[in-house]
Amino acid sequence: EAQVTQNPRYLITVTGKKLTVTCSQNMNHEYMSWYRQDPGLGLRQIYYSMNVEVTDKGDVPEGYKVSRKEKRNFPLILESPSPNQTSLYFCASSPLGGVNTEAFFGQGTRLTVV
Amino acid sequence: DAKTTQPPSMDCAEGRAANLPCNHSTISGNEYVYWYRQIHSQGPQYIIHGLKNNETNEMASLIITEDRKSSTLILPHATLRDTAVYYCIVSARDDKIIFGKGTRLHILP
Repeated sequence: EAQVTQNPRYLITVTGKKLTVTCSQNMNHEYMSWYRQDPGLGLRQIYYSMNVEVTDKGDVPEGYKVSRKEKRNFPLILESPSPNQTSLYFCASSPLGGVNTEAFFGQGTRLTVV
Repeated sequence: DAKTTQPPSMDCAEGRAANLPCNHSTISGNEYVYWYRQIHSQGPQYIIHGLKNNETNEMASLIITEDRKSSTLILPHATLRDTAVYYCIVSARDDKIIFGKGTRLHILP
């Protein structure tokens, strides 16, 4: 089954404790991206990757890092989480460099930073 | 900023066709119209996309006006499971998806 898998689904952490949210897709897609969703602000793109070793900033990249060492994986790293990074996070992938086709989204990771 | 305008909410009776409008008056010639939906807090789900011609798949139909400045997503027989936020997105190939606020569709029993 084609899918994008994020882990963990829920996470509560403390300010400053480094964490990684993993994202994996089984569709051999080139394009992957991370979004955060906040009430009243909608879905905003954090980072995206056009292919292995190619990443770029989205609209809200501050406080986040990503890496794309393998095609299937695109982890989101919070080196020093802060309460304003409390949010619902989604990973997405699509077969082309952008949106000329269907994008698949993961089920989300709800992060709380206290 | 999103390049589309959608009504914030709509109601539709179960079993009836749900027609969701979207204005995209500044759309460029190489930009597609995409529709996604998000049920509760799940990941967004792709529905359909088109460039100029009307499109239909197993989920919905997409009607794009001749001048391409607006479009309508049609769910032919809405069910309670179609209750969701529907996003109309305009984007060129290889460009990023920018989500607006979408339309919250309520299907009424």
